[in-house]
Amino acid sequence: QSALTQPPSASGSPGQSVTISCTGTSSDVGGYDHVSWYQQHPGKAPKLMIYEVSKRPSGVPDRFSGSKSGNTASLTVSGLQAEDEADYYCSSYAGSTVIFGGGTKLTVL
Amino acid sequence: QVQLQESGLGLVKPSQTLSLTCTVSGGSINSGAYYWTWIRQPPGKGLEWIGYISYSGNTYYNPSLKSRVTMSVDTSKNQFSLKLSSVTAADTAVYYCARDGDGYNLVDYWGQGTLVTVSS
Repeated sequence: QSALTQPPSASGSPGQSVTISCTGTSSDVGGYDHVSWYQQHPGKAPKLMIYEVSKRPSGVPDRFSGSKSGNTASLTVSGLQAEDEADYYCSSYAGSTVIFGGGTKLTVL
Repeated sequence: QVQLQESGLGLVKPSQTLSLTCTVSGGSINSGAYYWTWIRQPPGKGLEWIGYISYSGNTYYNPSLKSRVTMSVDTSKNQFSLKLSSVTAADTAVYYCARDGDGYNLVDYWGQGTLVTVSS
């Protein structure tokens, strides 16, 4: 199984929107509606931001949204804030296993 | 509030076995359809799913690590454990224990992570 493909970096100015893509295959992203997104600040454990493609855990701002089309999932962060600067990882259930993307470093300009 | 805490040796020699334990507090390890998970992150790199175990002992491992990984659960101590054999420098990483809320990639609680270095 190969890692999911994410762009290494993304950026936006405060208040803008940015979308991060996550491309897999029909065996993972395209085959299951179990895509999650995690936010990780330096030196910290990851935090669940989106699960089941588009659901937000309690406490996650609605500025974070997720979607999926075919083998590609996307995370959109609207109304960018300074604290959104972090690494973001997608992951997908792939039938009794889980695959992560390589991560995207989001910079708030 | 569920909390997880990793413990174990931070330095392991090449070819030896890495052993880590995760202690769960704030909830019982054998309640619900949870899967107790290990994920690692080499320094400066991305996350890698190692595998998970149910409270009843059913295990699911990353195919790329399967031959070297053993997970176990001790419900009496509210702990679960990871053993990774024949380690090399490539196994140097921060190891996180975590809870998967439904076994379908819903990792909602994480430990703080522990750095394990493989070096002679």
